[in-house]
Amino acid sequence: NAGVMQNPRHLVRRRGQEARLRCSPVKGHSHVYWYRQLPEEGLKFMVYLQKENIIDESGMPKERFSAEFPKEGPSILRIQQVVRGDSAAYFCASSPGQVNSPLHFGNGTRLTVT
Amino acid sequence: QQQVKQSPQSLIVQKGGISIINCAYENTAFDYFPWYQQFPGKGPALLIAIRPDVSEKKEGRFTISFNKSAKQFSLHIMDSQPGDSATYFCAASKNNFNKFYFGSGTKLNVKP
Repeated sequence: NAGVMQNPRHLVRRRGQEARLRCSPVKGHSHVYWYRQLPEEGLKFMVYLQKENIIDESGMPKERFSAEFPKEGPSILRIQQVVRGDSAAYFCASSPGQVNSPLHFGNGTRLTVT
Repeated sequence: QQQVKQSPQSLIVQKGGISIINCAYENTAFDYFPWYQQFPGKGPALLIAIRPDVSEKKEGRFTISFNKSAKQFSLHIMDSQPGDSATYFCAASKNNFNKFYFGSGTKLNVKP
């Protein structure tokens, strides 16, 4: 029973390039969350999605960042024209969406912008 | 505005001692309070969780104490072991809303 799968584990991009982070939720989970973590800091909420819908994107920068969770396939977090400040660990979590059901996290994608 | 405040930022405990991490929240609509444990290079993993209809929940060496009137909850790790050295996050969510608010984390170091 696979957990949340994120890839790649490490991603290096030069300033101005695009970064695509993928997340496959736990089988049967229809809710996906993206969090960002800077070194020695906590988890900052970015976006909450259900299949084909963005439920809450209040934590996501308005520019350059977008997220999707299509009917088929993984959830994608896309960062266009990356800057050094985007360097962080990005974690995806999933849940079945039931009341008080916990989040299951992946092991993250560590993005480094050079 | 930080919805969940966590302290201390870091904690050093001797092996066999008790580790205590505290969290406070403002929103009385929160009704689910999980704790997560994160090892370096890994994602957070659910450790233990509590709902506000109970004041304490224990699972092995881990106990959550919950004070609804004070809007505070804490994690106690009894007989702390070096393998418990990790970062711990408290969190809170609202019924039917599924959005989780995380504390800033506590880095625990258990000395052998």
